[in-house]
Amino acid sequence: NAGVTQTPKFRILKIGQSMTLQCTQDMNHNYMYWYRQDPGMGLKLIYYSVGAGITDKGEVPNGYNVSRSTTEDFPLRLELAAPSQTSVYFCASSRHHSYEQYFGPGTRLTVT
Amino acid sequence: TQLLEQSPQFLSIQEGENLTVYCNSSSVFSSLQWYRQEPGEGPVLLVTVVTGGEVKKLKRLTFQFGDARKDSSLHITAAQPGDTGLYLCAGEGGGADGLTFGKGTHLIIQP
Repeated sequence: NAGVTQTPKFRILKIGQSMTLQCTQDMNHNYMYWYRQDPGMGLKLIYYSVGAGITDKGEVPNGYNVSRSTTEDFPLRLELAAPSQTSVYFCASSRHHSYEQYFGPGTRLTVT
Repeated sequence: TQLLEQSPQFLSIQEGENLTVYCNSSSVFSSLQWYRQEPGEGPVLLVTVVTGGEVKKLKRLTFQFGDARKDSSLHITAAQPGDTGLYLCAGEGGGADGLTFGKGTHLIIQP
C-alpha cells in the first residue's frame, strides 16, 4: 500500500493564480483532512470529509475549496492565491475521527 | 475551542541525557495522541493514550496521560540523535473534525 500520496511536492504560484493540490489514499478510509502547517503554528485544519460526497469546514477554510467525489481522492483547490497561503499543506486520512491519522508527505507552496 | 499548549517549544540537549516534554490543556480529551515529524515529511503516530493515568512505553519513550485527561507528558531516556524531530500532541474531543494539534516541541539531540 502507498498510504497517502500528495502531488505536487513543491509549487511556486504568482498572486491570483489558481491550483489544485491532489491527495489520494489507498486504505479505504472514510475520513480525510487537509491541514496547513506554518512555522511555529502547528497544524491548522482547513477542511475535512467524513465520506464521499460530504465535506465540512475546519478552522481556516477561507480561500480554499474541496470536493470528495470518491473515497480515495480529496483535492484541495486554491482559487486566487495570496501570499498568506504560503505554507506546507498536509493531507491525512483515518478510519474513524478518533483513530490514528495517516499523513501524506506534504506540498510546500510559495505564493509570490 | 479546545487548545493544547506544548512546552518547551524548543529543546536542544546532548546525546545520553534525559528529557520531558509536556502537553497541557484546560479541556478534557477522550484520547490523546503523540506524533513525531521529521523534516520534509508528514507526522507519524507514536502512541495513543485513552485512560486517565495511563502510562505507555515505547522503548526509551514513556508517555503518560494525566488523571483528569487534560494533559500528557513524553519522557525520553538516554536521548539519541535519531530522536531529533518535531513532537506533536493531538487531542480527540469527540467531534467529526478529528484531532486538535498542539504547536509542537522541536527537539534536537546533539551527538
